Amino acid sequence: KQEVTQIPAALSVPEGENLVLNCSFTDSAIYNLQWFRQDPGKGLTSLLLIQSSQREQTSGRLNASLDKSSGRSTLYIAASQPGDSATYLCAVLTGANSKLTFGKGITLSVRP
Amino acid sequence: EAQVTQNPRYLITVTGKKLTVTCSQNMNHEYMSWYRQDPGLGLRQIYYSMNVEVTDKGDVPEGYKVSRKEKRNFPLILESPSPNQTSLYFCASRKRVETSYEQYFGPGTRLTVT
Repeated sequence: KQEVTQIPAALSVPEGENLVLNCSFTDSAIYNLQWFRQDPGKGLTSLLLIQSSQREQTSGRLNASLDKSSGRSTLYIAASQPGDSATYLCAVLTGANSKLTFGKGITLSVRP
Repeated sequence: EAQVTQNPRYLITVTGKKLTVTCSQNMNHEYMSWYRQDPGLGLRQIYYSMNVEVTDKGDVPEGYKVSRKEKRNFPLILESPSPNQTSLYFCASRKRVETSYEQYFGPGTRLTVT
């Protein structure tokens, strides 16, 4: 059974800092890994999708990497801003039914 | 605009009163699914549908029903809601991207059962 872990559960950083959010998964036979952003009480916004054959994806100040063999992904946020404050979820797609398994998320607070 | 919509967005109801949460997508996606999100438990899949008239249980299907009579709609039915079904519910659809899929989520429905 696939398990996705995100540690720590919460993170507080000063504005302008570069930061890395970690995600690990137990079954390396994934189709892809997707990073989402969720604002309090809101829906999920897809940030980046990394196919299993890819090593990284970039969008603006965000860069996500994938090391499938070690079961790890990182989301790098450059020059963090208070508007980046949200919960960041990673999810992996695995299995015959192509099931999406989520981590519990990392709640990021960027202090002005 | 390509999107997944859910209605209602907020719902307060009483134990045992049947309710339906609607979900619709305008992207012609074959696959749709429902999740619930609870503090400390994260997002868990309730049901999914690979295509019209094809549905299957996810991780937490007890107390829920779904139907898929047409491609765009995937309603979630609670025949007899109970307080432990108080949660934030998300509908999702997905599109094919090369050899895998990208998920799109609706805005969520916050359900409170008293």
